[in-house]
Amino acid sequence: DGGITQSPKYLFRKEGQNVTLSCEQNLNHDAMYWYRQDPGQGLRLIYYSQIVNDFQKGDIAEGYSVSREKKESFPLTVTSAQKNPTAFYLCASSIRGTGASSLSAQAFFGQGTRLTVV
Amino acid sequence: QQPVQSPQAVILREGEDAVINCSSSKALYSVHWYRQKHGEAPVFLMILLKGGEQKGHDKISASFNEKKQQSSLYLTASQLSYSGTYFCGTESLTGNQFYFGTGTSLTVIP
Repeated sequence: DGGITQSPKYLFRKEGQNVTLSCEQNLNHDAMYWYRQDPGQGLRLIYYSQIVNDFQKGDIAEGYSVSREKKESFPLTVTSAQKNPTAFYLCASSIRGTGASSLSAQAFFGQGTRLTVV
Repeated sequence: QQPVQSPQAVILREGEDAVINCSSSKALYSVHWYRQKHGEAPVFLMILLKGGEQKGHDKISASFNEKKQQSSLYLTASQLSYSGTYFCGTESLTGNQFYFGTGTSLTVIP
């Protein structure tokens, strides 16, 4: 079955450590996104990628890094520079990059990773 | 860049109606609506493209006013299963980004 998989589901990190969240999709989607969800703040865009080997910062990219070496994979690293990393992280993908010149397409989400700093 | 939703929270009795609004400061190409149950991933409901279209899905429908850069989600004769947090997602005319709204918590009680 096609879908988008995030791992792990729960992750604990000590202060000062980097940690990487995995996101893999087998939907052949071009675009992938990372969002952070905090209570009462909705989903905030961290990074997005429209194509392999290219990615762009979202609204809250500080303290995070990503890579897009393969179409299927878009891992997110939460670095020690992120001062308040405890949150629910959601990865999403869509069939292509968005734009007025192309049809819009829904986003498919992974089940999320809940990161807690201890 | 994050679209603003209103209200932030609403409580309904079964059978009542609700309207959730989504407003963007940017010109929009499309609006998406999603529903998220607690601790789960958001689930897609519908997409509305520019042109002022309306769509319906069972007793849930939506409209998109591109001139006002606003969309509204209408839930009629609400059911217990409608409970969750509703998010709008917006694509701007310049493309390349997909932003989600601040969310509206909807609780349906018997």
